[in-house]
Amino acid sequence: GAGVSQSPRYKVAKRGQDVALRCDPISGHVSLFWYQQALGQGPEFLTYFQNEAQLDKSGLPSDRFFAERPEGSVSTLKIQRTQQEDSAVYLCASSLAVREQFFGPGTRLTVL
Amino acid sequence: DQQVKQNSPSLSVQEGRISILNCDYTNSMFDYFLWYKKYPAEGPTFLISISSIKDKNEDGRFTVFLNKSAKHLSLHIVPSQPGDSAVYFCAALRGGGSNYKLTFGKGTLLTVNP
Repeated sequence: GAGVSQSPRYKVAKRGQDVALRCDPISGHVSLFWYQQALGQGPEFLTYFQNEAQLDKSGLPSDRFFAERPEGSVSTLKIQRTQQEDSAVYLCASSLAVREQFFGPGTRLTVL
Repeated sequence: DQQVKQNSPSLSVQEGRISILNCDYTNSMFDYFLWYKKYPAEGPTFLISISSIKDKNEDGRFTVFLNKSAKHLSLHIVPSQPGDSAVYFCAALRGGGSNYKLTFGKGTLLTVNP
């Protein structure tokens, strides 16, 4: 079956622009996660959904970051008023059992 | 404060030899450990895991060893193949209420030379 897909794969934004990153999880996976991976670092947890409920958003760096999963499937990570420090790869993962997370290819965001 | 540390940014080995990737952790609440493999422009792919109640888990050419007292784990790849060349991330999960939040190390770039 299809894995986790993310779009766009690459995004270049001017500082101050808003961006929206999409994640299509594996069909039937109730859990969905977003991670941020800065250059030379490991991925860092941003937020966790179980179905449509956002159970943990403790990793979101600021109130400019917002994630939603309104129908318990596709999720969108939105970043408002992007800044240079937001440049990173944003990874989405989904799972049936939370300890077995399957990652998508990521969206590389570059803020100029 | 890095709770999961991979102190070797890179490792180079000859095809057919053993690759040993190391990982240390500081948080004694971690009770499940995973290794992920990542190729360029792809997401991390799960490789192998180990629960803290075990000290070894083996899957084909891949073996993970856990030393709880030393808060250290290692991934052994035998024999190494050129296709194993990738970045390897060590990750950990806590028990209890936040048992979904993967904490990753910075990764080790493994190069297997033909």
